[in-house]
Amino acid sequence: GDSVTQTEGQVTVSESKSLIINCTYSATSIGYPNLFWYVRYPGEGLQLLLKVITAGQKGSSRGFEATYNKEATSFHLQKASVQESDSAVYYCALSDSNNRIFFGDGTQLVVKP
Amino acid sequence: NSKVIQTPRYLVKGQGQKAKMRCIPEKGHPVVFWYQQNKNNEFKFLINFQNQEVLQQIDMTEKRFSAECPSNSPCSLEIQSSEAGDSALYLCASSLYKDYEQYFGPGTRLTVL
Repeated sequence: GDSVTQTEGQVTVSESKSLIINCTYSATSIGYPNLFWYVRYPGEGLQLLLKVITAGQKGSSRGFEATYNKEATSFHLQKASVQESDSAVYYCALSDSNNRIFFGDGTQLVVKP
Repeated sequence: NSKVIQTPRYLVKGQGQKAKMRCIPEKGHPVVFWYQQNKNNEFKFLINFQNQEVLQQIDMTEKRFSAECPSNSPCSLEIQSSEAGDSALYLCASSLYKDYEQYFGPGTRLTVL
Protein backbone atom coordinates (compact mmCIF):
# COMPACT_ATOMS: atom_id res chain seq x y z
CA GLY A 1 0.00 0.00 0.00
CA ASP A 2 0.88 3.67 0.04
CA SER A 3 3.04 4.87 2.92
CA VAL A 4 5.33 7.61 4.13
CA THR A 5 8.39 7.23 6.35
CA GLN A 6 9.97 9.88 8.52
CA THR A 7 13.05 8.52 10.21
CA GLU A 8 13.44 11.13 12.93
CA GLY A 9 10.92 11.33 15.74
CA GLN A 10 12.49 14.48 17.11
CA VAL A 11 15.04 16.94 15.79
CA THR A 12 16.69 19.63 17.93
CA VAL A 13 18.32 22.58 16.20
CA SER A 14 19.77 25.81 17.50
CA GLU A 15 18.18 29.02 16.29
CA SER A 16 19.59 30.32 12.98
CA LYS A 17 21.02 26.90 12.07
CA SER A 18 19.91 24.84 9.09
CA LEU A 19 17.35 22.06 9.19
CA ILE A 20 16.60 18.95 7.21
CA ILE A 21 13.81 16.51 8.01
CA ASN A 22 13.92 13.34 5.96
CA CYS A 23 10.91 11.85 4.22
CA THR A 24 10.61 8.92 1.83
CA TYR A 25 7.46 7.53 0.34
CA SER A 26 6.08 4.43 -1.29
CA ALA A 27 3.18 4.79 -3.68
CA THR A 28 1.66 1.66 -5.16
CA SER A 29 -1.82 2.93 -6.00
CA ILE A 30 -0.63 5.89 -8.04
CA GLY A 31 2.49 6.52 -10.08
CA TYR A 32 2.94 10.17 -9.20
CA PRO A 33 1.29 11.00 -5.88
CA ASN A 34 0.85 14.54 -4.67
CA LEU A 35 3.30 15.22 -1.85
CA PHE A 36 2.75 17.45 1.15
CA TRP A 37 4.28 18.78 4.32
CA TYR A 38 1.80 19.56 7.08
CA VAL A 39 2.62 21.29 10.35
CA ARG A 40 0.96 21.31 13.74
CA TYR A 41 2.03 24.20 15.98
CA PRO A 42 1.48 23.82 19.73
CA GLY A 43 -2.19 24.13 20.56
CA GLU A 44 -3.24 24.44 16.93
CA GLY A 45 -4.73 22.22 14.25
CA LEU A 46 -3.00 20.56 11.35
CA GLN A 47 -2.25 22.96 8.51
CA LEU A 48 -0.71 22.62 5.11
CA LEU A 49 2.83 23.98 4.90
CA LEU A 50 3.58 23.19 1.27
CA LYS A 51 2.70 20.81 -1.51
CA VAL A 52 4.21 19.64 -4.79
CA ILE A 53 2.25 17.73 -7.39
CA THR A 54 4.86 17.42 -10.15
CA ALA A 55 7.98 15.26 -9.95
CA GLY A 56 11.16 17.32 -10.04
CA GLN A 57 9.48 20.48 -8.78
CA LYS A 58 10.23 22.32 -5.55
CA GLY A 59 7.67 23.74 -3.17
CA SER A 60 8.38 26.49 -0.69
CA SER A 61 6.61 28.34 2.10
CA ARG A 62 7.68 30.38 5.13
CA GLY A 63 11.34 29.73 4.28
CA PHE A 64 10.86 25.96 4.08
CA GLU A 65 11.55 24.04 0.88
CA ALA A 66 11.00 20.49 -0.34
CA THR A 67 11.82 18.92 -3.69
CA TYR A 68 9.86 16.05 -5.21
CA ASN A 69 12.52 13.47 -6.04
CA LYS A 70 10.86 10.66 -7.93
CA GLU A 71 14.05 8.62 -8.41
CA ALA A 72 14.87 8.57 -4.71
CA THR A 73 11.16 8.62 -3.72
CA SER A 74 12.03 11.38 -1.29
CA PHE A 75 10.55 14.71 -0.24
CA HIS A 76 12.90 16.08 2.41
CA LEU A 77 12.02 19.32 4.17
CA GLN A 78 14.76 21.93 4.50
CA LYS A 79 15.22 25.38 5.94
CA ALA A 80 18.38 27.42 5.86
CA SER A 81 17.87 29.25 9.16
CA VAL A 82 15.28 28.14 11.71
CA GLN A 83 13.58 30.34 14.26
CA GLU A 84 12.15 29.49 17.64
CA SER A 85 8.65 30.00 16.22
CA ASP A 86 9.26 27.05 13.85
CA SER A 87 9.04 24.66 16.80
CA ALA A 88 6.20 22.30 15.87
CA VAL A 89 5.44 18.80 14.62
CA TYR A 90 5.99 18.33 10.90
CA TYR A 91 4.23 15.61 8.92
CA CYS A 92 5.19 14.42 5.47
CA ALA A 93 2.25 13.07 3.48
CA LEU A 94 1.04 11.86 0.12
CA SER A 95 -2.38 11.57 -1.44
CA ASP A 96 -3.53 8.57 -3.43
CA SER A 97 -5.72 8.42 -6.52
CA ASN A 98 -8.81 8.96 -4.33
CA ASN A 99 -7.22 11.94 -2.56
CA ARG A 100 -6.94 10.02 0.71
CA ILE A 101 -3.96 11.35 2.60
CA PHE A 102 -1.30 9.05 4.04
CA PHE A 103 0.82 10.70 6.71
CA GLY A 104 4.19 9.89 8.18
CA ASP A 105 4.49 9.58 11.94
CA GLY A 106 5.68 13.16 12.31
CA THR A 107 8.91 14.83 13.40
CA GLN A 108 8.93 17.07 16.47
CA LEU A 109 11.17 20.07 15.75
CA VAL A 110 12.62 21.76 18.81
CA VAL A 111 14.45 25.01 18.13
CA LYS A 112 16.76 26.09 20.93
CA PRO A 113 17.28 29.82 21.46
CA ASN B 1 -6.51 29.33 8.35
CA SER B 2 -8.97 26.45 8.32
CA LYS B 3 -12.58 27.13 9.25
CA VAL B 4 -13.53 23.50 9.82
CA ILE B 5 -15.32 23.20 13.15
CA GLN B 6 -15.24 20.04 15.20
CA THR B 7 -17.18 19.38 18.38
CA PRO B 8 -16.63 18.39 21.06
CA ARG B 9 -12.90 18.98 21.38
CA TYR B 10 -12.66 16.30 24.08
CA LEU B 11 -14.83 13.25 24.61
CA VAL B 12 -14.56 10.66 27.38
CA LYS B 13 -16.50 7.40 27.20
CA GLY B 14 -16.57 4.05 28.90
CA GLN B 15 -16.03 0.84 26.99
CA GLY B 16 -19.18 -0.21 25.21
CA GLN B 17 -20.63 3.30 25.14
CA LYS B 18 -21.51 5.23 22.03
CA ALA B 19 -19.23 8.09 21.07
CA LYS B 20 -20.41 10.75 18.66
CA MET B 21 -18.49 13.65 17.22
CA ARG B 22 -19.46 16.33 14.73
CA CYS B 23 -17.86 18.33 11.99
CA ILE B 24 -18.96 21.44 10.14
CA PRO B 25 -16.93 21.71 6.94
CA GLU B 26 -15.78 24.99 5.48
CA LYS B 27 -18.61 26.83 3.80
CA GLY B 28 -19.09 25.60 0.27
CA HIS B 29 -16.97 22.49 0.69
CA PRO B 30 -18.99 19.42 -0.33
CA VAL B 31 -16.23 16.86 0.30
CA VAL B 32 -15.53 15.70 3.85
CA PHE B 33 -12.87 13.28 5.12
CA TRP B 34 -12.48 11.62 8.52
CA TYR B 35 -9.09 10.44 9.79
CA GLN B 36 -8.00 8.83 13.01
CA GLN B 37 -4.62 9.67 14.61
CA ASN B 38 -3.79 7.14 17.32
CA LYS B 39 -1.47 7.42 20.33
CA ASN B 40 1.48 6.34 18.18
CA ASN B 41 0.84 9.30 15.86
CA GLU B 42 -0.29 6.94 13.10
CA PHE B 43 -2.97 8.35 10.85
CA LYS B 44 -5.69 6.24 9.30
CA PHE B 45 -8.24 7.27 6.71
CA LEU B 46 -11.74 6.26 7.84
CA ILE B 47 -14.34 7.54 5.40
CA ASN B 48 -15.10 10.35 3.00
CA PHE B 49 -18.24 11.92 1.59
CA GLN B 50 -19.25 14.08 -1.28
CA ASN B 51 -22.36 15.90 -0.17
CA GLN B 52 -24.39 13.14 1.46
CA GLU B 53 -22.86 10.25 -0.45
CA VAL B 54 -20.09 7.98 0.85
CA LEU B 55 -17.12 7.86 -1.54
CA GLN B 56 -14.81 5.40 0.24
CA GLN B 57 -14.60 3.81 3.65
CA ILE B 58 -12.41 1.22 5.29
CA ASP B 59 -13.63 -2.06 6.74
CA MET B 60 -13.41 -0.85 10.35
CA THR B 61 -15.69 1.99 9.53
CA GLU B 62 -18.25 -0.31 7.97
CA LYS B 63 -18.53 -2.45 11.08
CA ARG B 64 -18.47 -0.37 14.26
CA PHE B 65 -18.40 3.14 13.00
CA SER B 66 -21.23 5.01 11.38
CA ALA B 67 -20.93 8.34 9.66
CA GLU B 68 -23.17 10.68 7.76
CA CYS B 69 -23.21 14.12 6.22
CA PRO B 70 -26.86 15.14 6.03
CA SER B 71 -27.91 18.14 4.05
CA ASN B 72 -27.94 21.36 6.12
CA SER B 73 -26.63 19.63 9.23
CA PRO B 74 -23.18 18.89 10.63
CA CYS B 75 -21.42 15.74 9.50
CA SER B 76 -21.04 13.16 12.25
CA LEU B 77 -18.93 10.15 13.10
CA GLU B 78 -20.26 7.74 15.70
CA ILE B 79 -18.66 4.71 17.26
CA GLN B 80 -21.42 2.33 18.23
CA SER B 81 -19.60 0.50 21.01
CA SER B 82 -16.35 2.16 22.04
CA GLU B 83 -13.24 0.11 22.70
CA ALA B 84 -10.01 1.15 24.41
CA GLY B 85 -8.23 1.00 21.07
CA ASP B 86 -10.54 3.70 19.72
CA SER B 87 -8.86 6.29 21.94
CA ALA B 88 -7.41 8.70 19.43
CA LEU B 89 -7.65 12.12 17.82
CA TYR B 90 -10.36 12.15 15.16
CA LEU B 91 -9.73 14.68 12.43
CA CYS B 92 -12.25 16.02 9.98
CA ALA B 93 -11.11 17.68 6.76
CA SER B 94 -13.04 19.31 3.97
CA SER B 95 -12.26 20.26 0.42
CA LEU B 96 -13.86 22.04 -2.49
CA TYR B 97 -13.50 19.15 -4.89
CA LYS B 98 -12.62 15.50 -4.45
CA ASP B 99 -9.06 16.05 -5.68
CA TYR B 100 -8.38 19.41 -4.09
CA GLU B 101 -6.51 20.47 -0.96
CA GLN B 102 -8.00 19.36 2.33
CA TYR B 103 -8.45 21.74 5.25
CA PHE B 104 -8.35 20.17 8.68
CA GLY B 105 -10.30 20.91 11.82
CA PRO B 106 -8.70 20.87 15.29
CA GLY B 107 -9.93 17.35 15.98
CA THR B 108 -11.93 15.58 18.67
CA ARG B 109 -9.80 13.74 21.20
CA LEU B 110 -11.63 10.61 22.32
CA THR B 111 -10.57 8.77 25.45
CA VAL B 112 -12.17 5.41 26.11
CA LEU B 113 -11.72 4.34 29.73
